[in-house]
Amino acid sequence: QSALTQPASVSGSPGQSITLSCTGTSSDIGGYNYVSWYQQHPGKAPKLMIYDVSNRPSGISNRFSGSKSGYTASLTISGLQAEDEADYYCCSYTSSSTRNYVFGTGTKVTVL
Amino acid sequence: QVQLVQSGAEVKKPGASVKVSCKASGYTFTGSIISWVRQAPGQGLEWMAWISAYNGNTNYAQRFQARVTMTTDTSTSTAYMELRSLRSDDTAVYYCARGRTPYYGGNSFDYWGQGTLVTVSS
Repeated sequence: QSALTQPASVSGSPGQSITLSCTGTSSDIGGYNYVSWYQQHPGKAPKLMIYDVSNRPSGISNRFSGSKSGYTASLTISGLQAEDEADYYCCSYTSSSTRNYVFGTGTKVTVL
Repeated sequence: QVQLVQSGAEVKKPGASVKVSCKASGYTFTGSIISWVRQAPGQGLEWMAWISAYNGNTNYAQRFQARVTMTTDTSTSTAYMELRSLRSDDTAVYYCARGRTPYYGGNSFDYWGQGTLVTVSS
């Protein structure tokens, strides 16, 4: 089973909104509401931004929001800020026999 | 505050084994699930396995099942990941991460260790 599919890069200007997509299958995103999103700055550990499709952990800005439709999950960053420039990974629980969780390929967000 | 502190970088030869530790603090260790996730240089994240710190139950990704062992020491609130028969493509940063809930399935990872670089080179 392959990784979830994410666009390699997305860019936006400060203050704009951008949406990152994450496409899977019926065995993962399409079958469960257990999609999470992680932000990773260079040389740092990932940070949980969204869990269970659309829930924000305590301390995460409400500029970050998540949703899901069919086999595709999305992360929207509104009011883009310079500190949002990072790599973003989606992750889903999966019913695959080969593993319990599958990550996406990752999206590099650039703030222009 | 919740912290996961991992052991330091390792350099190993092909065929050797490595054991990485992850010491937890700031919460009840035995109420948690610990997953291990690795990231090869310039690559994405890959989930490897989880272990229950409550009862030691484990689940490994199939591609690692024959070579990896996860254990915990509840007396020191530490989780361990041992990877055997190392190959050059095992060179990666290895992260431990706490499950946001104590359940095996449908979890997410809310706190992460700082990562341990394992380099496999002859």
